[in-house]
Amino acid sequence: AQSVAQPEDQVNVAEGNPLTVKCTYSVSGNPYLFWYVQYPNRGLQFLLKYITGDNLVKGSYGFEAEFNKSQTSFHLKKPSALVSDSALYFCASNTGKLIFGQGTTLQVKP
Amino acid sequence: GAVVSQHPSRVICKSGTSVKIECRSLDFQATTMFWYRQFPKQSLMLMATSNEGSKATYEQGVEKDKFLINHASLTLSTLTVTSAHPEDSSFYICSARDRLTEAFFGQGTRLTVV
Repeated sequence: AQSVAQPEDQVNVAEGNPLTVKCTYSVSGNPYLFWYVQYPNRGLQFLLKYITGDNLVKGSYGFEAEFNKSQTSFHLKKPSALVSDSALYFCASNTGKLIFGQGTTLQVKP
Repeated sequence: GAVVSQHPSRVICKSGTSVKIECRSLDFQATTMFWYRQFPKQSLMLMATSNEGSKATYEQGVEKDKFLINHASLTLSTLTVTSAHPEDSSFYICSARDRLTEAFFGQGTRLTVV
């Protein structure tokens, strides 16, 4: 069965520093991987996706993610964090239905 | 990206009544729509998958008679919580998928049953 894991419940980073939110996956076949962000009491906003092609995927708001097949990972990164990036982040995989990781709360402090 | 509109954003209802939540894809045809439930500070739990014109497929543990899903057109799916109880209080989110692999999400509905 497919699954997605986000090992960190919360990530804290200072504004201006690089950030990484981790995600690992376990799917059969070619993985379709996504990152979404959720602000309080709101739906999910799409950030980026990996379907095929370059392992480094660039997305919205300066975020990017690197697909690593050997490590079965799809970590979300941003070179310089903003306070406004503070939110709940979900990694997801799609092989028919969209399955989410547990979510990681990103806290960016000024 | 495509737009999915979910209505209402908040609803308070009395225990024992039914509540309907609508999910519309505004600028694309959604052959498949998904309904999720989210508890505070937790991930999204898939409740059911609905395809236009056919019965919804419910995930294990989700009561189909309690959570009625109708996907009557390519742009509209509804979730009706029947005979609501306080334990049904939650954040419900719909998602619509176009013919490709990407899914777009509604704004969510905060249901409070009193």
